[in-house]
Formats: sequence, C-alpha cells, structure tokens
Amino acid sequence: GAGVSQSPSNKVTEKGKDVELRCDPISGHTALYWYRQRLGQGLEFLIYFQGNSAPDKSGLPSDRFSAERTGESVSTLTIQRTQQEDSAVYLCASSLTTGGDTQYFGPGTRLTVL
Amino acid sequence: EDQVTQSPEALRLQEGESSSLNCSYTVSGLRGLFWYRQDPGKGPEFLFTLYSAGEEKEKERLKATLTKKESFLHITAPKPEDSATYLCAVHGSGGSYIPTFGRGTSLIVHP
Repeated sequence: GAGVSQSPSNKVTEKGKDVELRCDPISGHTALYWYRQRLGQGLEFLIYFQGNSAPDKSGLPSDRFSAERTGESVSTLTIQRTQQEDSAVYLCASSLTTGGDTQYFGPGTRLTVL
Repeated sequence: EDQVTQSPEALRLQEGESSSLNCSYTVSGLRGLFWYRQDPGKGPEFLFTLYSAGEEKEKERLKATLTKKESFLHITAPKPEDSATYLCAVHGSGGSYIPTFGRGTSLIVHP
C-alpha cells in the first residue's frame, strides 16, 4: 500500500470489554512499532516487531496488553478488560528495518473507554 | 540511555516571522535523527532524516540542520498552515532498536 493504515479509526468501548486494533504496514517493511499517545502527551513506546517476532515487549503497560504479527505484515494490538486509563490514540509505525531507518506512521486509532 | 530534549515547548509566531526549533540529544552513536510534524488528531508525518553532523535538508519553508549535539528546524516566513506540533526523534547504535522521541514543540502561526 501507499502508507501505513490502521483500523478502526475510532473505537468506543465499555470498561471491561476487549478490543483489537489493526495495523497494515508499508509493504516490504520488516519492522513494525506500536505507540500510545495520551491527550496532550508524547509518544509512549509499547512494542516492536522484527519480522514476526517481538524482541522487546518492555513497553507494554500490563499483561492486559498483547500484540502479534503474522506473515511479516498485519499486526494486531489486543487490550483485554479495558480500563478508562487505556483511553488514548494508538499509533502504529513501520520502517524498512530496525537499523535506524525512518519510521512512517499510520493515522492512529482513537480508543475511548467509557 | 538516549535522551532527546526539545525547546521551546510552545512557540507563537506571526505569519512571516522566521524562527528555529531546537532538538538537543545524547546518544551512544547516532544512526539517525528524525523530524516529524503532527497535526491534532493525526499520526506524525515524516519530514526529514539526518545522519551525520553538518548535514542539512530543506523542504519548502523548512530546513533541518544537524550538529553532534543538536538539531535545528528552521522555519522561514511561516504561514498559518505550518501550525502543528513538531517532533524530534533519535535512533542510537547502543543496542536498542527503539527510537527515542522528544516531547515536541507546539507551533502556532498567527495570520
């Protein structure tokens, strides 16, 4: 594709429900990153993938958060038993490799937990 | 640990009033320094990548420069549509594959 795409663009859910966020990276990009951005705050790193493996999961806030990537393409970020503090914009970025290449960001998914 | 500090946090300019945004960084070996523009409610949009001290890149009214300790984003004769948050990030060669982002500079250009 022409750029990184994310879906849904907006998600409103009730506290305690599970949500899945999807990221489609730029074709051929082996590295994929997930970030969280709370209102008025900076980017918070969550997890990255090199191919289909996730070498560094240290940024995941709790065990309610998990992510996977298949076929060196699509990635899903799953949040179980959502809490109000999970409300934020979740951004996905991809880059050619993890070796210092430019990251290109998607438009984000705005998650609101009521 | 890589560190990035951006200043000022916020900047208000009149249309046509040129200025510069600063990104100070410390890394153990620089693989790349990146500038992004982020509009409210949108993902960061890539502007420039700089790799070595002395390098400069330009795009329309924006020019990015790099030294061994900092980068500047110069905005010449800004227009209201340049209003956005500008993010700086560095990718070091210290073993981490995660770029370090600054908190950003919020720029407002008044007509």
